[in-house]
This record gives sequence, structure tokens and C-alpha cells, in this order.
Amino acid sequence: AQSVTQLDSHVSVSEGTPVLLRCNYSSSYSPSLFWYVQHPNKGLQLLLKYTSAATLVKGINGFEAEFKKSETSFHLTKPSAHMSDAAEYFCVVSDISNFGNEKLTFGTGTRLTIIP
Amino acid sequence: NAGVMQNPRHLVRRRGQEARLRCSPMKGHSHVYWYRQLPEEGLKFMVYLQKENIIDESGMPKERFSAEFPKEGPSILRIQQVVRGDSAAYFCASSPQRTGNTEAFFGQGTRLTVV
Repeated sequence: AQSVTQLDSHVSVSEGTPVLLRCNYSSSYSPSLFWYVQHPNKGLQLLLKYTSAATLVKGINGFEAEFKKSETSFHLTKPSAHMSDAAEYFCVVSDISNFGNEKLTFGTGTRLTIIP
Repeated sequence: NAGVMQNPRHLVRRRGQEARLRCSPMKGHSHVYWYRQLPEEGLKFMVYLQKENIIDESGMPKERFSAEFPKEGPSILRIQQVVRGDSAAYFCASSPQRTGNTEAFFGQGTRLTVV
């Protein structure tokens, strides 16, 4: 079974400073990995995904993540935080079920707070 | 394209009542997934459906929970005889195909509170 661990439940950064949200995964084979963002009272939005192509993945709103197989990590970064980045972020690993469908396994989430 | 629509957004039920959660997938999507998010936890897969078929219900509780996706109309997640532990956010997602690194588009969720 696959699993995802988000190492920080809360992260606070000042506006304009870098953002780092950490994620480690466990998988028996090469996984597909995703980061989703959830703004208050909104649905989940896909930020970026890794699907065994380039290890550095660029997403929307200036976010990127690097897949490091040796460290089983997929940390999310952004060079400069913006107030609108305040939200809950989920690291997600994809699994293919016995029925052939894709099942997403979510981490417990990291709440990002931006300090003005 | 209106996106994945879930209603109601908030639902309050007394213990023992039934809860019905509805999900209309994005236009052109015939694959629907339901996830549950308990407080302070990540989303957990419940069930995957195609039109008129339940494909994978490995994440569904064995009792009181059922799901359907009829030929016409939205997908329904039904919880009978709700208990306090059913209080959670229930998210629906849809996709145009089954597998292959497909992005699943999520709705805003239904927040169920059992009192």
C-alpha cells in the first residue's frame, strides 16, 4: 500500500519569503505524485503533478516540486510567498486499484499561513 | 463548463436520519469518485463509479453507506441512520477517463454535521 506523510501540519512564512512544504511518500513502484491546494470554502485544485518525466515539476501560481527518489520526497516550493497562497495543501500519491481505476491517497495536509 | 457541482454545501442531520449527497460531474465526464475527509485528516477514497456501475467500493464502510450514478442525473452518496462519526466533508471528483495520470476535478464538498 502506498502512503504519504506531510511533515508539517502548519507552516507560517512572511509575504515575499520562500515557501517549503515537505512531503515524503512510500511506494513499491514509481508513483504518480500530486500537490493539491484547498482554499477556504473552495474545492481542491491541482497545483502540479509528477508522472515519471522530468523530476522538477512546475505548476501553477509559481509553485514547483522536485521528485527525489533516493529521499522518497516530493517537497513543494515557491520562491516568494503571496498573501493569496494562504490555504491548505495536500500531497497526494496515485495508485492503480485491482479494478484498474486510479485511487488517490492524500496526506493529512499542511496549512500555510502568510504573514503580511 | 461549470465544474463539479456538489449539493448541498452544508447538511445537518440528527442521529438516525438519512443523508443524501449529490454530485454532478463536469460535462463530458463519466467517471465519478467520492472521498471523505474526517476532521484533521486527509481525504480517504470511498468509491469509484461509472454511469450505472459501481467499479470500486473498497473504501466504503460495509453498512449504511451506498452510492449510485444513474444513467440520468447526478451521482448520489447515501448514508442511512447517520451517527456522529459520519460528520465529515465529503468530496466528489470526476474525470473523463479511468486511468493514465488523469487529473481528477474536485467539487467544493458537502460538509455533513450529525447532531
